[in-house]
Amino acid sequence: GQQLNQSPQSMFIQEGEDVSMNCTSSSIFNTWLWYKQEPGEGPVLLIALYKAGELTSNGRLTAQFGITRKDSFLNISASIPSDVGIYFCAGRSNNNDMRFGAGTRLTVKP
Amino acid sequence: ETGVTQTPRHLVMGMTNKKSLKCEQHLGHNAMYWYKQSAKKPLELMFVYSLEERVENNSVPSRFSPECPNSSHLFLHLHTLQPEDSALYLCASSQQRGAGEQFFGPGTRLTVL
Repeated sequence: GQQLNQSPQSMFIQEGEDVSMNCTSSSIFNTWLWYKQEPGEGPVLLIALYKAGELTSNGRLTAQFGITRKDSFLNISASIPSDVGIYFCAGRSNNNDMRFGAGTRLTVKP
Repeated sequence: ETGVTQTPRHLVMGMTNKKSLKCEQHLGHNAMYWYKQSAKKPLELMFVYSLEERVENNSVPSRFSPECPNSSHLFLHLHTLQPEDSALYLCASSQQRGAGEQFFGPGTRLTVL
């Protein structure tokens, strides 16, 4: 099906380090979205990608839409304690179905 | 800030209770969604409404009953739930179904005893 495999499941990093996470699928998507969810809150949209190869930044966050349209990655540079949370990828296919990854739980140690 | 609100934020109910979750979006969107979020699992889409019509129902048990009286409001009526239904229930909206980003509410944390 259109499962999204998101990795890693969790990361424990030191403040100041860079972070990279990705999502892959066996299916093609025409939109990739990255969300962040903090405890007790709903997911908040960070970055939206609409074209294969597209590279988009939002502050210290950078995301790319893979050229094969089957993957996307999110990088966070110079992490800070408030980056803690769960990061989700989501992909929308041509039939308008939206699929979500299981999330990457990020812990940042000061 | 997200423009999507949900009430209540927390709900504890017994298996024989009837309760309702409410979602309201202030973004002028035409599509609204209910998702179930369980620990360490991807979001599960439950229902999709477009212009107040239900357009998708992903094999959700009948003990969950959605209602969309207008494009700004969405309800999820709960009846005779099971403990495994305990989860975070998220509402989302988007400009159109299948177009534009989905914006989420804060969720209702449901515990079924």
